[in-house]
This record gives sequence, C-alpha cells and structure tokens, in this order.
Amino acid sequence: AAGVIQSPRHLIKEKRETATLKCYPIPRHDTVYWYQQGPGQDPQFLISFYEKMQSDKGSIPDRFSAQQFSDYHSELNMSSLELGDSALYFCASSSLTGGQETQYFGPGTRLLVL
Amino acid sequence: GDSVTQMEGPVTLSEEAFLTINCTYTATGYPSLFWYVQYPGEGLQLLLKATKADDKGSNKGFEATYRKETTSFHLEKGSVQVSDSAVYFCALSYSGAGSYQLTFGKGTKLSVIP
Repeated sequence: AAGVIQSPRHLIKEKRETATLKCYPIPRHDTVYWYQQGPGQDPQFLISFYEKMQSDKGSIPDRFSAQQFSDYHSELNMSSLELGDSALYFCASSSLTGGQETQYFGPGTRLLVL
Repeated sequence: GDSVTQMEGPVTLSEEAFLTINCTYTATGYPSLFWYVQYPGEGLQLLLKATKADDKGSNKGFEATYRKETTSFHLEKGSVQVSDSAVYFCALSYSGAGSYQLTFGKGTKLSVIP
C-alpha cells in the first residue's frame, strides 16, 4: 500500500539559511499534519491542513510557514534557521472526509542545522 | 489542555517476558487513543488504536483497552521478542477546531535481550 512520502530524507543547513520540506500524503487523504521531534523527545504538533486550508496550528515558530497545494501535497518552509531547529520533522496524513482520523506517518526528514 | 503520561523507561526485558507499558491521559470529551512504535532510525508506525470506551485495540500480539473510568490505555504483550525493541508512544487525538492533532506521551524505550 502507498505510504506517506517525505523529501528530502536528510538535510544539512547552516544557521540563518532556509529549508523547504515536502510531504506527499497517501492517495485520497485530504488532511496533512506536521510534527517536530527533537532528540529524545516526543513529537510536537506544528500545523495541519484540511482540503488545502489551514485547520489547526500548534507550536510552530513564526519563522516557519506551510501550505497544502491543489494536489494535496504540503511544504513546510523554514527560514532563519537556528541550531535548535535541528530535529526530525514528520508529516502525517489522514482522510477526515472518509471519516478516518487515524494518522499515518511518513519516514521523516532529519534536519541538521550547523 | 489534553495530556498523556507514560511510564518512564527505559524498560529492559528478557525474551518471552510479559510487557506492560502504562499510559494515562487527561482530556476534555472523549478522545481516540493510539499506540505508535518507533524503531531505531525510523518513523512512527501505528501499532493499535481504540476510539471509544471499552474498545480493545490489538495488533502483532500487542493489546490495549480504552478504560474511561481510569483514563488509561495500558499496552500489553504476553511474550516479547528481540524484534519488539523500540520506543513506544501513547497518544490521543481530540477533535477541536476541525483538527485531530495528536498529543503524545514522552515515549518508553523498550529493549528486549535474548
């Protein structure tokens, strides 16, 4: 079965640079979630989109922005990167229209800020 | 706000031992409850879920029962294997503002030795 695809899988950036993370949800899933997992930490919710509109916002810094496109893929844009942004970033998708709130996670993008 | 409390690890067991990982939650309303597993270097995989009181989720020999009276969702397995070594996260989701964002516990690292 098709799973959530995230790219890139690994990313190394310098402080103050920008990064763009991409997420391709499971086909026919209409909802995308972004989470950040620091080293040894539990995942923290950042932001979610339903049918291309932002549906909820968590602890996402103002330096970050995200959107969901017409093909339902999503991008997380991160600017003015800081050392503390080094983490594993997960995307998850679900089908709220289909009545399934269960989220399926991608493999994550590991971001290292030097 | 919503929260999840898991027993702290790490937990080390011998192969074929009985496993219990305690999880309790605080939530308004009636959340859905989940266990996710994260193998070393990998993303989060859904292990099992329960959406209402007294539901039992089960998968791969793991079980957890949604106990509303004790606000608990303890994970159990009768006989663990070395391949079960991973970090286990208890989580809840509660529909608010049109989003089912997941709130995770801190995770419990399980190591199974031969």
